[in-house]
Amino acid sequence: GAVVSQHPSWVICKSGTSVKIECRSLDFQATTMFWYRQFPKQSLMLMATSNEGSKATYEQGVEKDKFLINHASLTLSTLTVTSAHPEDSSFYICSASRSGRSYEQYFGPGTRLTVT
Amino acid sequence: DAKTTQPPSMDCAEGRAANLPCNHSTISGNEYVYWYRQIHSQGPQYIIHGLKNNETNEMASLIITEDRKSSTLILPHATLRDTAVYYCIVRVTHNAGKSTFGDGTTLTVKP
Repeated sequence: GAVVSQHPSWVICKSGTSVKIECRSLDFQATTMFWYRQFPKQSLMLMATSNEGSKATYEQGVEKDKFLINHASLTLSTLTVTSAHPEDSSFYICSASRSGRSYEQYFGPGTRLTVT
Repeated sequence: DAKTTQPPSMDCAEGRAANLPCNHSTISGNEYVYWYRQIHSQGPQYIIHGLKNNETNEMASLIITEDRKSSTLILPHATLRDTAVYYCIVRVTHNAGKSTFGDGTTLTVKP
């Protein structure tokens, strides 16, 4: 149990376009989901915290108008990278916590975004 | 959340125990020690967590010093599939997800 999926697993897009990444909790309800970014040979950096039915909370330095987060249901959160540029190329990872078991955190497999 | 310090890399022979240290000298009383690992190009995987007592599960053991300023993750019989980056994180449990990942330790298990 406690599986988190991401779609797509990888995506290539042209500079200036937008791309949406989905994060789903497959067998549990996740009141909170988190989005991380990881550049090559670097550690994970938390971008934002997403709560179902409310606005996301962004970490300092993360542009909320560029990285749109929607947490429409207890099993789905989406991250949209708007007007993507090559410097947005990265590995995007989501994680989710189960309702009532906030100490557990389950990570998705990640989405590799390449902006050309 | 408290900052952690880990060695950047370690090697271990296949079948032997891998002991990964973590220093968290500024840990506060309500912070837990969590360990995750990340195999190349995958999402992190939860391994184990603890507060002050030693913990063991099917994957690993966690030894926390009495003063809680450091801990050691033990993989009792390392396999090639255990090659990964291991992250030690300290955080208050209700902040699950709001984890600050350091640079971790790259463990390479060699045949």
